[in-house]
Amino acid sequence: GDSVTQMEGPVTLSEEAFLTINCTYTATGYPSLFWYVQYPGEGLQLLLKATKADDKGSNKGFEATYRKETTSFHLEKGSVQVSDSAVYFCALLYSSASKIIFGSGTRLSIRP
Amino acid sequence: DAGVIQSPRHEVTEMGQEVTLRCKPISGHNSLFWYRQTMMRGLELLIYFNNNVPIDDSGMPEDRFSAKMPNASFSTLKIQPSEPRDSAVYFCASGAPGTKYSPLHFGNGTRLTVT
Repeated sequence: GDSVTQMEGPVTLSEEAFLTINCTYTATGYPSLFWYVQYPGEGLQLLLKATKADDKGSNKGFEATYRKETTSFHLEKGSVQVSDSAVYFCALLYSSASKIIFGSGTRLSIRP
Repeated sequence: DAGVIQSPRHEVTEMGQEVTLRCKPISGHNSLFWYRQTMMRGLELLIYFNNNVPIDDSGMPEDRFSAKMPNASFSTLKIQPSEPRDSAVYFCASGAPGTKYSPLHFGNGTRLTVT
């Protein structure tokens, strides 16, 4: 069945470091791919999305490219800040009438 | 737009009591999802509705859990009787109709503690 696999956390980095959080997926069709972020005490918020192969989603300095050949959607940021500390979820969706499939989440902590 | 509104934000109850969690989705959204989040099991989908009709309730853990969506602007998740292992944060999310490009919008959750 369809699934999303994320790298295990927690990930701890120093401020201004380069970030990569790996995400791979298994899908029988052509889903949209998303990254959500969850700050402490809040619900999940959409960070970025890509709807077809080779699309690049970007927001707040974060980027992810929809790679069909490697079935991946890795999240990257060139220089992280303390305020980026949160849990990040990779997800896939086929349609608004179907359920979104989330990865297990990756906790990111940034040291000042 | 006020976003997805959940109430209450926090609920503390004793084992055996009935608990009702409430959700108001974003106006115009036609899909609604209930999730549960714990440290041990992460984010779990409990049930989702499309056009007020339950589509998949396979994630509902037991008969003690039930969910309703009487109209497009309101949904409830009820636990009766509640148990300590039900302690978790419960999230409601809604989605816009039409295509696969529309992401889900989450509420801020209800933190449930059953003692």
